[in-house]
Amino acid sequence: DSGVTQTPKHLITATGQRVTLRCSPRSGDLSVYWYQQSLDQGLQFLIHYYNGEERAKGNILERFSAQQFPDLHSELNLSSLELGDSALYFCASSAKGLFSTDTQYFGPGTRLTVL
Amino acid sequence: AQKVTQAQTEISVVEKEDVTLDCVYETRDTTYYLFWYKQPPSGELVFLIRRNSFDEQNEISGRYSWNFQKSTSSFNFTITASQVVDSAVYFCALSEELQGAQKLVFGQGTRLTINP
Repeated sequence: DSGVTQTPKHLITATGQRVTLRCSPRSGDLSVYWYQQSLDQGLQFLIHYYNGEERAKGNILERFSAQQFPDLHSELNLSSLELGDSALYFCASSAKGLFSTDTQYFGPGTRLTVL
Repeated sequence: AQKVTQAQTEISVVEKEDVTLDCVYETRDTTYYLFWYKQPPSGELVFLIRRNSFDEQNEISGRYSWNFQKSTSSFNFTITASQVVDSAVYFCALSEELQGAQKLVFGQGTRLTINP
């Protein structure tokens, strides 16, 4: 158990809908990262938050957004969902992650299925 | 841009055999970190090792060992006396810094099947 929690574990929804994925980092970790794992793209970095602020963006679609709250938990919002958004979404956390390369510990993932 | 190549898509061996998973990376950074993660059938990503570019010593942890060779940009992972529980997808990853923040660049993964 990495100490990172993600809810829900599974999510099934329809095209055009909006969903929210939630992540709680390990106790004391300030950085949260979101990754998408799909069959065709593999594991891709989406976005990094450090202590409530967005710090880096990767291949994140404009339909996707994220935030990190004062208690350091994070949410990834996916809107106008398409079939191709079906994937496993991982959250990871690290102790600092700003101007230092800490190990990222991953949560169990949320499997999103868009029908 | 950083790149990680795991040329072996799938490997299948019989239990107790030794197996090596290859990882080759590309980076222009002088300081960087390499990682291995394991993804068992249950789906979570489990951290195995973190190695920085200044430390070229090989590392052994039980049946697992890692060989880092900067000269060939490789960071290979060997499992000795494999067991069925080692069956999983293994990912090699490279850190990339973005204005002080960081992200991981993953290889495509190697699916390892250990047959009894």
